[in-house]
Amino acid sequence: QQQVKQSPQSLIVQKGGISIINCAYENTAFDYFPWYQQFPGKGPALLIAIRPDVSEKKEGRFTISFNKSAKQFSLHIMDSQPGDSATYFCAASIGTNAGKSTFGDGTTLTVKP
Amino acid sequence: DAGVTQSPTHLIKTRGQQVTLRCSPKSGHDTVSWYQQALGQGPQFIFQYYEEEERQRGNFPDRFSGHQFPNYSSELNVNALLLGDSALYLCASSLVLGQDGYGYTFGSGTRLTVV
Repeated sequence: QQQVKQSPQSLIVQKGGISIINCAYENTAFDYFPWYQQFPGKGPALLIAIRPDVSEKKEGRFTISFNKSAKQFSLHIMDSQPGDSATYFCAASIGTNAGKSTFGDGTTLTVKP
Repeated sequence: DAGVTQSPTHLIKTRGQQVTLRCSPKSGHDTVSWYQQALGQGPQFIFQYYEEEERQRGNFPDRFSGHQFPNYSSELNVNALLLGDSALYLCASSLVLGQDGYGYTFGSGTRLTVV
């Protein structure tokens, strides 16, 4: 059963544009929502994470927007760069940032120069 | 500062065989989790080890088992391999009581191919 649904599956953005990736979850017990970036041949790397007591968190060019009532959250990448081309995963977990995480199926982002 | 180290990087096994994958966590981390990542999909949680005990388990059959050693390193064992076990196996380490923003550190994975 897919508990975290991620869209789109792939995304092409021009350099300098905004990349937006969306996720929706079902389990209201989830209380930690990280985003990971994965390059080919590497494991996922934590980018940014949010808890549901805030609606937005920004770190550099990366922003998470969180809508608790809609059970949705999204990643915005501002001023997208070719080096941002990678696969992005949203995830959700319960109670701790080190616990069992449920991942989305990923979005492959291509930033064209 | 070494991150998470996994070995081997690639492995080819025959259906029905057994395999052992190894993981050394990031220095200072005490918890190891294992994930299976099929091609084109997100990682799926297999289990987590803390203080040498399995603390959480995902929806994987008993053919998947693990172990954590006193130095926090871990092994993942898979018995009676099936073709469907072909995947990238990721080890992730963390601090069980870690602060937000730190979460998991993943290794680069072991690519297992079952033929």
